[in-house]
Amino acid sequence: DQQVKQNSPSLRVQEGRISILNCDYTNSMFDYFLWYKKYPAEGPTFLISISSIKDKNEDGRFTVFLNKSAKHLSLHIVPSQPGDSAVYFCAASGRGGGSNYKLTFGKGTLLTVNP
Amino acid sequence: ETGVTQTPRHLVMGMTNKKSLKCEQHLGHNAMYWYKQSAKKPLELMFVYNFKEQTENNSVPSRFSPECPNSSHLFLHLHTLQPEDSALYLCASSQDPDIYNEQFFGPGTRLTVL
Repeated sequence: DQQVKQNSPSLRVQEGRISILNCDYTNSMFDYFLWYKKYPAEGPTFLISISSIKDKNEDGRFTVFLNKSAKHLSLHIVPSQPGDSAVYFCAASGRGGGSNYKLTFGKGTLLTVNP
Repeated sequence: ETGVTQTPRHLVMGMTNKKSLKCEQHLGHNAMYWYKQSAKKPLELMFVYNFKEQTENNSVPSRFSPECPNSSHLFLHLHTLQPEDSALYLCASSQDPDIYNEQFFGPGTRLTVL
């Protein structure tokens, strides 16, 4: 049973437009959420995170929104650039989930930004 | 070298072989992790080491044997693997597993078991 779900395996966006990547979770004990980006032949790299005490966290072109009541988070990239083309993983952790360090990952969404 | 490095990057082995994957982190972190990523599946945590002590074994078969001689190095010893063990094996590290912080990943070892 997947506790972190990324229901869109892929997303295609035009350069300059907004990319919105979605993630849903089922475990209400999760209280820390992260987004990772992965290029082919490389390991995932940390992008941005959000604690459950917040509903928004922004870092440059990247913003993560958290809706705890809906158990939903999203990553917004604006404006999207061709170099953003990668697989994006949503991950969650929490003391209630067993430990702070235990990250539960979604399957990922492949983002393609067309020039 | 910076960050988290893994060797080899690619490995092909038979089911009767014994091989080892190596991970090294140059970040001064205290926790190291092994993950497995199979095709079309999420990353699965395998093992966690905190200050060289194993703190998590996520029901991993005994044909995978981790070793952490110090906080900077992590090995995954492989023996009598099965073809379904073919996957990308990722190593990660983090500063302190007891507080929220991101994990830094290596590039992974692409393992193929024939």
